[in-house]
Amino acid sequence: AQSVTQLDSQVPVFEEAPVELRCNYSSSVSVYLFWYVQYPNQGLQLLLKYLSGSTLVESINGFEAEFNKSQTSFHLRKPSVHISDTAEYFCAVSSFGGGATNKLIFGTGTLLAVQP
Amino acid sequence: NAGVMQNPRHLVRRRGQEARLRCSPMKGHSHVYWYRQLPEEGLKFMVYLQKENIIDESGMPKERFSAEFPKEGPSILRIQQVVRGDSAAYFCASSPTGDEQYFGPGTRLTVT
Repeated sequence: AQSVTQLDSQVPVFEEAPVELRCNYSSSVSVYLFWYVQYPNQGLQLLLKYLSGSTLVESINGFEAEFNKSQTSFHLRKPSVHISDTAEYFCAVSSFGGGATNKLIFGTGTLLAVQP
Repeated sequence: NAGVMQNPRHLVRRRGQEARLRCSPMKGHSHVYWYRQLPEEGLKFMVYLQKENIIDESGMPKERFSAEFPKEGPSILRIQQVVRGDSAAYFCASSPTGDEQYFGPGTRLTVT
């Protein structure tokens, strides 16, 4: 069975400050890792993904995440946040191979609240 | 390329009525997933379908819920005899290969 832990339910931060949203996962099989962002009353947007290759992945709007297999982590970082980054961020994992169906297992989400 | 479309965006049903939620995947995507977002519970997988086949329904409640993805037309999530506890946001996601999923805007179901 797989699980995802997002320890921080809410992260308040001032505009232009750096931020890290933590994500740890548990799985006995190989996984894909994802970060999704959800703005109020909207669907989820894929922010970035790790499928294979380089363990550092980046999004077009300045976010990055690093897959750390030994620590089973996939923390999300941004060096300087904007007010518009205020949203709920979900970490998710799916397994692949061996008959796995790639269904996503989500963490409970972290609300990033950027203050002026 | 249009994104995943879901309709209706908001649906109000009285207890005991039926709810039908529709999902049109992105063009070229043959994998469809349904998730439910309940207050205080987060996002949970419900069912995974490919054209005309249910692949994994391990997250579906055993009664009242059903899903289909016909050869032609959208995927349908059907909830019979709705109860207040069914009130939630229901999201559909589609994928070309199953590896990465793209979500629709969701249908917010309110049961009165």
